[in-house]
Amino acid sequence: GAVVSQHPSWVICKSGTSVKIECRSLDFQATTMFWYRQFPKQSLMLMATSNEGSKATYEQGVEKDKFLINHASLTLSTLTVTSAHPEDSSFYICSARANRGLNEKLFFGSGTQLSVL
Amino acid sequence: SQQGEEDPQALSIQEGENATMNCSYKTSINNLQWYRQNSGRGLVHLILIRSNEREKHSGRLRVTLDTSKKSSSLLITASRAADTASYFCATDARGAQKLVFGQGTRLTINP
Repeated sequence: GAVVSQHPSWVICKSGTSVKIECRSLDFQATTMFWYRQFPKQSLMLMATSNEGSKATYEQGVEKDKFLINHASLTLSTLTVTSAHPEDSSFYICSARANRGLNEKLFFGSGTQLSVL
Repeated sequence: SQQGEEDPQALSIQEGENATMNCSYKTSINNLQWYRQNSGRGLVHLILIRSNEREKHSGRLRVTLDTSKKSSSLLITASRAADTASYFCATDARGAQKLVFGQGTRLTINP
């Protein structure tokens, strides 16, 4: 089956630093990737839709200058949390949609737990 | 706002019993999907049901869809301790290119 690799799995950083999270589709090409944020015991909140070769589409209320998304290839999307603050601490999950065949369902990375001190 | 609302929010049953979770949504959809999430992990796709389907089975899973009521249910039969997880419905709305997730049901199977 399709595999999405996300890393790091967890990261602890100081307030004010930037953190980059990578999401790779290992055995399929993903024209579209999605980034979600999840608080404990809550649902996934879509942050942005990332399309290869074009600018990401951000959901209302998500600061695009704060959460930089780059989708430079059909297998890699990155989310950079810039100047992270404690309120950015959360579980971030990426997902990918294949660009052909089985493209209705999403394949998820294993998530990144970000803790900002 | 979230498309899907799920109930119950939490469900605790004994191993071997059946577990039923419900999902309601608001707009017209192409399909509805169910995902499972183990604590601190990503989501795993379980089953997809299209808007023109009413029922679908996959192993111990049974999903129903009632588009007139804009609702779906997920039934897990003969539950096992390993089924303990959070379950989310997600809707693929017509005209949208994204899935919107419900609030989820936290299922606990007691040995």
